[in-house]
Amino acid sequence: AQTVTQSQPEMSVQEAETVTLSCTYDTSESNYYLFWYKQPPSRQMILVIRQEAYKQQNATENRFSVNFQKAAKSFSLKISDSQLGDTAMYFCAFMKPPRSGNKLVFGAGTILRVKS
Amino acid sequence: DVKVTQSSRYLVKRTGEKVFLECVQDMDHENMFWYRQDPGLGLRLIYFSYDVKMKEKGDIPEGYSVSREKKERFSLILESASTNQTSMYLCASSFSGTGFLSSTDTQYFGPGTRLTVL
Repeated sequence: AQTVTQSQPEMSVQEAETVTLSCTYDTSESNYYLFWYKQPPSRQMILVIRQEAYKQQNATENRFSVNFQKAAKSFSLKISDSQLGDTAMYFCAFMKPPRSGNKLVFGAGTILRVKS
Repeated sequence: DVKVTQSSRYLVKRTGEKVFLECVQDMDHENMFWYRQDPGLGLRLIYFSYDVKMKEKGDIPEGYSVSREKKERFSLILESASTNQTSMYLCASSFSGTGFLSSTDTQYFGPGTRLTVL
């Protein structure tokens, strides 16, 4: 069974600085997908960024980027120029083929606090 | 924008009561999901449905059942609520998609229902 591990329960960062959230996963699959979801204090979970395992290029979405290391089974999220609105719980998630149902396996989450 | 709504933000029930949690999505998504979220455990899949009247068990289905009579609505049922079912419940939906990963694979989440069983 696939597992996703987020080893940092809580992190904090000063506004405008850069922070990296860690995620490792365990799978025997060669083709799969990885996601970072954000859950602000208002509780609506939203997608931050996603990565296809067959792509070597790291995904980037504005201030958010990932460092995908397939051999190491590592998928970290880097947030540049942190903003107060980035304060949230961040979940790393894994999805494997077959794609029916698009089932996700989530990590335990990392609480990120951005300080002014 | 995709909208996923849940019937209640907060719910308090007593042990042994039958509890219904409702989820509605407005984007004609085939897939719908129920998760529970607990501190230190992340989100765990309870049940999901890939079509009307179709359902599959997730990782923690014990004590729960689901119903999907219409494409837009997915209900989670606690037949006899217990205190260990006190949790945050999140609903999500997505398209089935075909081929490689596309924007249709994104799961869209509702705001969650905080259920307390006394």
